[in-house]
Amino acid sequence: AQSVTQPDIHITVSEGASLELRCNYSYGATPYLFWYVQSPGQGLQLLLKYFSGDTLVQGIKGFEAEFKRSQSSFNLRKPSVHWSDAAEYFCAVGVGRTGTASKLTFGTGTRLQVTL
Amino acid sequence: DAGVIQSPRHEVTEMGQEVTLRCKPISGHDYLFWYRQTMMRGLELLIYFNNNVPIDDSGMPEDRFSAKMPNASFSTLKIQPSEPRDSAVYFCASSLRQGAYGYTFGSGTRLTVV
Repeated sequence: AQSVTQPDIHITVSEGASLELRCNYSYGATPYLFWYVQSPGQGLQLLLKYFSGDTLVQGIKGFEAEFKRSQSSFNLRKPSVHWSDAAEYFCAVGVGRTGTASKLTFGTGTRLQVTL
Repeated sequence: DAGVIQSPRHEVTEMGQEVTLRCKPISGHDYLFWYRQTMMRGLELLIYFNNNVPIDDSGMPEDRFSAKMPNASFSTLKIQPSEPRDSAVYFCASSLRQGAYGYTFGSGTRLTVV
């Protein structure tokens, strides 16, 4: 069965600093990969997704992620963090029938704190 | 587009009572998912539907849980009888074309069973 590991439970960065959130997945084939963000009391918002093709994907709010098959990783990055980026971030792998991303499995999340 | 709409936002009920959570997916989306989020277990997929038909309910924890989708614009998740360990945030999400564009989540229902 597929699984997702987010090794960092909590990360604190200064506003303006760069950010990298780690995500590793376990799946036998090339998965569909997603990053979501959740603000307190809110649902999850899609930041970006990877299905195939270019391994560096751009998302909303200035985020990007790079798929590295050799490392089974899909790390999320942002060159300069804003205070409003403080939230919880979830990596997810989508597995379904061939060619689909029907069923998402989520990591345990990384809580980002931004200091001013 | 109003997004995925869930009701109620908060529900407090006594143990043993029936609880019904409601979801209206985005119009035109053909997949609907129910997730549960707790501190201990994170986000768990309970069940999902495709074109109103349940496809995978392997995540439904017990027979006390049931979900229906009578039409393309409405789904319910029912817990009967409810127990304190059911306390969690329940999310509904919908997607188009088998998840190709990602899922859109509702704001969730925070359920507290006392």
